[in-house]
Amino acid sequence: AQTVTQSQPEMSVQEAETVTLSCTYDTSENNYYLFWYKQPPSRQMILVIRQEAYKQQNATENRFSVNFQKAAKSFSLKISDSQLGDTAMYFCAFMNSGYALNFGKGTSLLVTP
Amino acid sequence: DAGVTQSPTHLIKTRGQQVTLRCSPISGHKSVSWYQQVLGQGPQFIFQYYEKEERGRGNFPDRFSARQFPNYSSELNVNALLLGDSALYLCASSLDGDSRSTDTQYFGPGTRLTVL
Repeated sequence: AQTVTQSQPEMSVQEAETVTLSCTYDTSENNYYLFWYKQPPSRQMILVIRQEAYKQQNATENRFSVNFQKAAKSFSLKISDSQLGDTAMYFCAFMNSGYALNFGKGTSLLVTP
Repeated sequence: DAGVTQSPTHLIKTRGQQVTLRCSPISGHKSVSWYQQVLGQGPQFIFQYYEKEERGRGNFPDRFSARQFPNYSSELNVNALLLGDSALYLCASSLDGDSRSTDTQYFGPGTRLTVL
């Protein structure tokens, strides 16, 4: 079974600063996909970024980027120039060549003025 | 284009009752997945349906069932409700859900179920 671990229950960052959220996973698969989802207080789960394991290049989406370390089974999310609207729960999720997303327990990020 | 829609937004039931939750996928998406999110936890996979067939099932009891209609919308049914079924139920749709692909899942706003 695959497991996803997010070791930081809560984090805080000041507006315009950079923050990194950690995620590790455990799998015996070689081909898989990793995701970061954001869930603001409105509860809507929003895709932030996606990474294919076969790609060595780290994915980026505007202010969001990942540091994917396949050997270490690590998948951290970096948010640059943090904005108040980034305040949310952030979930790391894993999917192998199937259909089910396996989520971590989440990291609550608070962006302060 | 509209995103994934779910109804109702909120629902209150008592123990032993039955509930039906509804989901409409993004236009063109053929696969629908259901997740249960208990307060303070990440979502847990319940089902995925593709082309009206169950493609996968998580570790949930038989009280949970689902189906998908020809227009790709889906219903999740939960019988004999327990207090522990209180949760946010999320529906996600993806383009085709082929087991060899890993289409990104896009989530709806969820249905908050409270069991008293």
